[in-house]
Amino acid sequence: AQRVTQPEKLLSVFKGAPVELKCNYSYSGSPELFWYVQYSRQRLQLLLRHISRESIKGFTADLNKGETSFHLKKPFAQEEDSAMYYCALNTNAGKSTFGDGTTLTVKP
Amino acid sequence: EAEVAQSPRYKITEKSQAVAFWCDPISGHATLYWYRQILGQGPELLVQFQDESVVDDSQLPKDRFSAERLKGVDSTLKIQPAELGDSAMYLCASSLAKGLAGMSYNEQFFGPGTRLTVL
Repeated sequence: AQRVTQPEKLLSVFKGAPVELKCNYSYSGSPELFWYVQYSRQRLQLLLRHISRESIKGFTADLNKGETSFHLKKPFAQEEDSAMYYCALNTNAGKSTFGDGTTLTVKP
Repeated sequence: EAEVAQSPRYKITEKSQAVAFWCDPISGHATLYWYRQILGQGPELLVQFQDESVVDDSQLPKDRFSAERLKGVDSTLKIQPAELGDSAMYLCASSLAKGLAGMSYNEQFFGPGTRLTVL
């Protein structure tokens, strides 16, 4: 069965510092990986997906199949990045599994 | 902008009572998901529909939970009887599902959730 692990429940950085939110997965097939974000009092929404290889709000994530990781990175964190971040995996059959999330706090 | 709708937003019930949640996905979205999210954890998939068919309900406690999407549009999740451990946020999401070759339309759009408290 597939599994998504986000080892850090809480992550706190200062504004302007680099930030990396870790995501590791286990899945025997070819996964589809996503990062979702939930800002305070808002609904869960997509931040980015590995297939697009895009940068959203300064965030990037690279799928490393050798290390089975999909870490989320931003070189200079902003206060508005404070939120809950979830890594998610879709299997070939479309089944979705989420990690338990990391709460990011960016301090001024 | 189209959004996933859920109702009610909050529900308080006593154990052994029946509760029902409703979800209206974004128009045209073939795939509908119901998740349960316990405080401090990520969303756990309960059931996934492709149109009106269940494609995954392996984590749905079928002795007390049921879900339907009769016309392949809106969906209802029911719990009967509710137990104390069912207290959680129940999230509904929808996606367009896989489209053109090489493209992924599996981005999920989430509703605001229903907060269930069982007393």
